[in-house]
Amino acid sequence: EVQLVESGGGLVQPGGSLRLSCVASGFSFQFYAIQWVRQAPGKGLEYVSAISDNGDRALYGDSVKGRFTTSRDNSKNMVYLQMGSLRPEDTAVYYCAREADWYVDHWGQGTLVTVSS
Amino acid sequence: QSALTQPASVSGSPGQSITISCTGTSSDIGGYNYVSWYQQTPGKAPKLIIYEVSDRPSGVSDRFSGSKSGNTASLTISGLQAEDEADYYCNSYTNRGTRVFGTGTKVTVL
Repeated sequence: EVQLVESGGGLVQPGGSLRLSCVASGFSFQFYAIQWVRQAPGKGLEYVSAISDNGDRALYGDSVKGRFTTSRDNSKNMVYLQMGSLRPEDTAVYYCAREADWYVDHWGQGTLVTVSS
Repeated sequence: QSALTQPASVSGSPGQSITISCTGTSSDIGGYNYVSWYQQTPGKAPKLIIYEVSDRPSGVSDRFSGSKSGNTASLTISGLQAEDEADYYCNSYTNRGTRVFGTGTKVTVL
């Protein structure tokens, strides 16, 4: 069974940093790109980032470019989202998701990040 | 990258058919056949229901169908059922290699 489990969410002050982790199981992790998608409370889905299967390419949405960095460790089946210069508008549930070709076919349960003083 | 445009809400009676539109540009929907649709119920992660414009994953009801014309994609739900009440999001590949989601549509079964 494909599983993606996020962790690392919590309360952080504006301007602060936080690192989210996602551990994958149940599939050949090294062959899949992974996305991060977020959802602010009561709002819609927003593409945050994606990292290629071997980690040599990462893409970012406009709202996080230059502040967030995605990386992965295929030896540990892990993906990371390093978030910096956090703003209140970054408050959201962050989902880790498996990318199959041109779409996401499996999602984690999400981890909540709250940016507030 | 601006979000794709969806109607905020669509409603229908049980057994009816409804269609949700998703409008983008030639840089996303119009340029590629990589449109997907997701269903999300409260407190849950989204679920893939349509990929590559009109394909359905195994296990998804054939009451869900997708199509595309120009810069607009559509999701049709036939034989509407109470269990279809949820939020629906479209998604497209873009010319920057990123993805963009739609604004989301709340489907209500009357």
